Amino acid sequence: GQNIDQPTEMTATEGAIVQINCTYQTSGFNGLFWYQQHAGEAPTFLSYNVLDGLEEKGRFSSFLSRSKGYSYLLLKELQMKDSASYLCAVRPNNAGNMLTFGGGTRLMVKP
Amino acid sequence: NAGVTQTPKFRILKIGQSMTLQCTQDMNHNYMYWYRQDPGMGLKLIYYSVGAGITDKGEVPNGYNVSRSTTEDFPLRLELAAPSQTSVYFCASSLLGESNQPQHFGDGTRLSIL
Repeated sequence: GQNIDQPTEMTATEGAIVQINCTYQTSGFNGLFWYQQHAGEAPTFLSYNVLDGLEEKGRFSSFLSRSKGYSYLLLKELQMKDSASYLCAVRPNNAGNMLTFGGGTRLMVKP
Repeated sequence: NAGVTQTPKFRILKIGQSMTLQCTQDMNHNYMYWYRQDPGMGLKLIYYSVGAGITDKGEVPNGYNVSRSTTEDFPLRLELAAPSQTSVYFCASSLLGESNQPQHFGDGTRLSIL
């Protein structure tokens, strides 16, 4: 089976740094994706990790440790527009490029 | 570039009615997917397709059917609507090839069954 865990909600202050964790137990591993989803909108792609280490993209970074089944998304210099849900998704294998999603973390950024 | 287009955006159905949710992509993607998202939850895969004429079940296929007659279109059919099918439905597509290809999502169809 597939199991992906994320905190349900987090709150942070504008200008601060926040780390959203994701742990996974899946039948295989062929990549991990992070998506951002604003309320009432479609998920949009943020980052991809398949090897251990940190991938940086502007204010957003994503880290992966395959041996620990663990990833995190780091958001720096938080802005009000970063208030959204963040979805962690694992691709267990390459068949059909299918993803298994976690329940998402709703981040609220306060002034 | 339109990307993934879903219609309708909203719909209210009565129990037992049927309907088809439309999905079209203009990116020439091989893979297409249907998900449902219940309030405050993640995405659950209903059906997927790896190319025209090929479909397969995902995690929650009961009560739904799909077809893939062209590369562009991947409609989702509800035959006998039930209250448990009240949800937001997302269609997505991705490219065959490089392993880092993300899925691209449509704007969703918000469906209520009363």
